Amino acid sequence: NAGVTQTPKFQVLKTGQSMTLQCAQDMNHEYMSWYRQDPGMGLRLIHYSVGAGITDQGEVPNGYNVSRSTTEDFPLRLLSAAPSQTSVYFCASSPHDVIGGSNYGYTFGSGTRLTVV
Amino acid sequence: AQKVTQAQTEISVVEKEDVTLDCVYETRDTTYYLFWYKQPPSGELVFLIRRNSFDEQNEISGRYSWNFQKSTSSFNFTITASQVVDSAVYFCALSEGEAVNNAGNMLTFGGGTRLMVKP
Repeated sequence: NAGVTQTPKFQVLKTGQSMTLQCAQDMNHEYMSWYRQDPGMGLRLIHYSVGAGITDQGEVPNGYNVSRSTTEDFPLRLLSAAPSQTSVYFCASSPHDVIGGSNYGYTFGSGTRLTVV
Repeated sequence: AQKVTQAQTEISVVEKEDVTLDCVYETRDTTYYLFWYKQPPSGELVFLIRRNSFDEQNEISGRYSWNFQKSTSSFNFTITASQVVDSAVYFCALSEGEAVNNAGNMLTFGGGTRLMVKP
C-alpha cells in the first residue's frame, strides 16, 4: 500500500547509544519531515527536507541528524541517546504543490515509540 | 512565528452529546492552511480536514463540522451526536503558505485535546 513506512515501531535504547529511525515513502513526495510527540506539547518539528540532498533544522533539532540521499528515504539518526529523547517519533511526507482540493493533507507514518533508559 | 493553541487539554462527554474543540492560531502570513488530525488510541495520525486561509466557508462532513473565523483567528471543530469511537486526541495544526517553498510545509501543532466519549 502506498504511504509512509516507519521502522522500527518500538525501540528501547540505553543512554549514549546511537540508532537510526527509518522512514520511506513511495508517493514521490518532495517534502519529508520528522516530528516528535510529547504529552501536552503536540508534535514538534525536528528536521525537514524539501528534496533529495536538501535538509534543514526544525524547532527541536539538537541531538538528531538527518540526510536525504534519495526522494524515498529520510532517516533520522540519534547520535548519543538521552532520556530526554524518549518520545514518539513521526515521519511525514507531502507533495510540493499545496494548491489543490480541500482534502489536501500530509501523509504520516504510524510512528516509532522510543524509550531511552 | 506561528503558534497554535488548543486550550482544552481534556474533554469528557456522554455519548450523543455535541462537543466543540477549540483552536486558536497566530500567524503573520496572509496565506496559510489549517488542519485537524485525529489520533485514536492506536496512535496513528488521521487527517480530517485542511482549510485554506482564503476560503472561510464552513464545512460539514457527516457528524463533523468546522467553523473557520479569520476575525478571531479560530478554527473550531464540532462533533455532533458524539460516539464512543470518537474518543481520541485531536490536533489542530497550521502551515504558513508564503513560506512553503522555503520551509518544507512545516506544520505547527497545538498541544492537542483529549476527547473521551462515555457510553
